[in-house]
Amino acid sequence: DPKIIQKPKYLVAVTGSEKILICEQYLGHNAMYWYRQSAKKPLEFMFSYSYQKLMDNQTASSRFQPQSSKKNHLDLQITALKPDDSATYFCASSPTGGTEVFFGKGTRLTVV
Amino acid sequence: GDSVTQTEGLVTLTEGLPVMLNCTYQSTYSPFLFWYVQHLNEAPKLLLKSFTDNKRPEHQGFHATLHKSSSSFHLQKSSAQLSDSALYYCAPDNAGAKLTFGGGTRLTVRP
Repeated sequence: DPKIIQKPKYLVAVTGSEKILICEQYLGHNAMYWYRQSAKKPLEFMFSYSYQKLMDNQTASSRFQPQSSKKNHLDLQITALKPDDSATYFCASSPTGGTEVFFGKGTRLTVV
Repeated sequence: GDSVTQTEGLVTLTEGLPVMLNCTYQSTYSPFLFWYVQHLNEAPKLLLKSFTDNKRPEHQGFHATLHKSSSSFHLQKSSAQLSDSALYYCAPDNAGAKLTFGGGTRLTVRP
C-alpha cells in the first residue's frame, strides 16, 4: 500500500509541451522533495518544501515549478519540455529535514 | 559546499565475497550519514543511517561505521548475495531541508 503516490507512472510528452507530475504523501510528513534521475546523472536533488514553503531550489531552469496546494501535495509543473528533461522524477518526503527520506515510485518521463 | 565522494561507477563481485563501498564526505556541520539502496526499477530506500561517531549500524547484513576523523562512512558486508545487486548511494544530510546524494555505486553480484 504505497504511502507516496505519484501519477502518472509513465508519461510521454512532445517537445515544447507542458506537463504536471502529481505527488501526494499520506505519511503525515512536513517536508517534501523532488529528485530527478536520468541515465546521464545520478539521483539529483531538485526542490525541497517544508510546511508548503520552498526551502531549497537546486534547479537552474525556471521551467520547473513545484506547486503545493495542500500540505501533503507537491506537484511538479514542467513547461517547454525538452528531450533532455527525459528522466525518472521521484517525489519524496520526510517528517522534518535531517531525518529519513521516503521515496515514491517515480514518474518516468520521456520527451520526444 | 557539502559533498560526498563514493566508489566510482561499477563494482562487480562474485557471490560470497566481501563487499566494501567507499564514501567520504565534506561538510560544514557534523552531518547525519545515510546509505540508500535502489534496486532495478524501484525507488531508493534507506539501508543504514548513523548519528554517532564510531557506532556501527547494521541492516540486512550490511554495516557502516561513521568516522568523523576521516570523514568516512564506508558500507561493508562480509558475504555478497545475488540480491545485493543494486545502486547504492551515500548521503550526508546536514542542511536540514534536503538530502544530497553522491554519484552512486552500482554493485553487481555474479554467481
